[in-house]
Amino acid sequence: DAGVIQSPRHEVTEMGQEVTLRCKPISGHNSLFWYRQTMMRGLELLIYFNNNVPIDDSGMPEDRFSAKMPNASFSTLKIQPSEPRDSAVYFCASSRRQGNTGELFFGEGSRLTVL
Amino acid sequence: QKEVEQNSGPLSVPEGAIASLNCTYSDRVSQSFFWYRQYSGKSPELIMSIYSNGDKEDGRFTAQLNKASQYVSLLIRDSQPSDSATYLCAVMSNTDKLIFGTGTRLQVFP
Repeated sequence: DAGVIQSPRHEVTEMGQEVTLRCKPISGHNSLFWYRQTMMRGLELLIYFNNNVPIDDSGMPEDRFSAKMPNASFSTLKIQPSEPRDSAVYFCASSRRQGNTGELFFGEGSRLTVL
Repeated sequence: QKEVEQNSGPLSVPEGAIASLNCTYSDRVSQSFFWYRQYSGKSPELIMSIYSNGDKEDGRFTAQLNKASQYVSLLIRDSQPSDSATYLCAVMSNTDKLIFGTGTRLQVFP
């Protein structure tokens, strides 16, 4: 069974540009999570979805960040405009149970560098 | 106070020794606790979960939970160089969020 698939794996962009990160969860998983990881702050939950519906987006740092899940097999995280402080590894994870049970399967991450 | 605290390490142990990784958390009502392992440049993977006070063993790994002290630990017996990684403690908050610590880097030397 394929794991969580994220793209792009690496993205280098300039400040002010729009960035779109993509995620395909594991088939049959009901919940999807977006995390951001930095050395200073570790793994931070940005937003999570249950059955394609956003449940908690309180971790989204500001209005420049938005996330969508139009169907059970696809989600996007968009940053517009991007800033150097957004540089981080962004992980998507999915879970086979409703809600956040803590048993998450992570994608390989998208490493974002904003110059 | 951070919600989940871990010593960043590195924790260095010789091959064959017991590695002890510790974690404290601030939310007294938390009920679910997890250990994830993250190799350098890779994504986190779940290795242990624990929900009740006491010990839970799985192969060379033992998770320990003490809710009164708000303390979770992970013991790795017979440590191997392949165990060298960052170990992330995660706690389910009362708002249904999985909160991660910043991780402890473990180095097992031959």
